[in-house]
Amino acid sequence: DTEVTQTPKHLVMGMTNKKSLKCEQHMGHRAMYWYKQKAKKPPELMFVYSYEKLSINESVPSRFSPECPNSSLLNLHLHALQPEDSALYLCASSQAQGPYNEQFFGPGTRLTVL
Amino acid sequence: DQQVKQNSPSLSVQEGRISILNCDYTNSMFDYFLWYKKYPAEGPTFLISISSIKDKNEDGRFTVFLNKSAKHLSLHIVPSQPGDSAVYFCAAVGYGGATNKLIFGTGTLLAVQP
Repeated sequence: DTEVTQTPKHLVMGMTNKKSLKCEQHMGHRAMYWYKQKAKKPPELMFVYSYEKLSINESVPSRFSPECPNSSLLNLHLHALQPEDSALYLCASSQAQGPYNEQFFGPGTRLTVL
Repeated sequence: DQQVKQNSPSLSVQEGRISILNCDYTNSMFDYFLWYKKYPAEGPTFLISISSIKDKNEDGRFTVFLNKSAKHLSLHIVPSQPGDSAVYFCAAVGYGGATNKLIFGTGTLLAVQP
């Protein structure tokens, strides 16, 4: 199983809503990542978890709250988002955190904030 | 400040011919480079990589060339096939030991015409 799954595929939320994005992998990978991709822009790293601990936070606003409940799951909790947060949110995993570890990406969640 | 640039937003090639996708970077501390391919509604998929100690890496129809003095890399696809039509992202890994931060270029949309 070399797949990273993400749910939901699409999400529309208001600025006062609380929602969560979910990511799952069963490859035994110990590093997991959240990226944000705006239209016609490259993916940008948001968070990295290594062995279920937050390793990198790329100065992401606190309205985005990541959580890694176990080695297979990664969540991104959303609260009080702004319309400019509308984007494709990509999850990825790799065997370990490190420069030569291939990252496997999920299909993404397309988020629209009204 | 875009550290990894793909100056051609799109490229159209005839089936069977060579596709050449280009990428330039500005940070001389990058020591590992990757190409990812992305179909619509899917996450990026790893294609091929190259370490800065090499100037060429080949995998089947795909070859990546690295010119460190020019801070330039290119991906050659020979022969091109219609199934190769996708967005191709160049990515670089920032030097830093344990950090696996991919910095992506803006992508090039390749269209292979039958």
